[in-house]
Amino acid sequence: QSVLTQPPSASGTPGQRVTISCSGSSSNIGSNYVYWYQQVPGTAPKLLIFRNNQRPSGVPDRFSGSKSGTSASLAISGLRSEDEADYYCAAWDDSLSALFGTGTKVTVL
Amino acid sequence: QVQLQESGPGLVKASETLSLTCTVSGGSISSYYWSWIRQPPGKGLEWIGYIYYSGSPNYNASLKSRVTISVDTSKNQFSLKLTSVTAADTAVYYCARGRHWNDFPDAFDIWGQGTMVTVSS
Repeated sequence: QSVLTQPPSASGTPGQRVTISCSGSSSNIGSNYVYWYQQVPGTAPKLLIFRNNQRPSGVPDRFSGSKSGTSASLAISGLRSEDEADYYCAAWDDSLSALFGTGTKVTVL
Repeated sequence: QVQLQESGPGLVKASETLSLTCTVSGGSISSYYWSWIRQPPGKGLEWIGYIYYSGSPNYNASLKSRVTISVDTSKNQFSLKLTSVTAADTAVYYCARGRHWNDFPDAFDIWGQGTMVTVSS
């Protein structure tokens, strides 16, 4: 059972901004970096954001991450049809175990 | 570029041992953390554990009594063994490369395509 909580779903129309939250605790998000992964159904997850707000090469700047206290957020601006996927937050806890969020399905209406 | 490929049986009998291997191509297995992550059908991701290239493993506490992850640097491979499997272990199993930052585990930046393992009774 994941200890990082995300809303099960989020949606928006093309061009809109969508935000996904990730709630944890002082032993994970509160003291370590947050990561975000995008998973298109039937494919492997892909790294989207690392160390709270860094984008790997090739990830559009429409995706942005932030962290405050024991929570984090992923924002997708200028929503596009290809952004329809499952999104997972992740963090390491103080015992160096990786934790994944419960996942959020983003639908483009 | 670096690619990861999982291999192993797609069907395992309940109470037996699940064994998978991840082959790293296009780069060295050195200087990274190497993880196994699984995803039951229709569910979220669960980290199983990692091994540092030098051989130091770390496991998910909920699976620790049943899991062994090992590395073979000469073959550029790392492996997963999960004992006493049940239907709850049915999942897509991914191997993933983990970067490190200031000597701590960081992002999973490269993933294998995943392999479905079904536990049969």
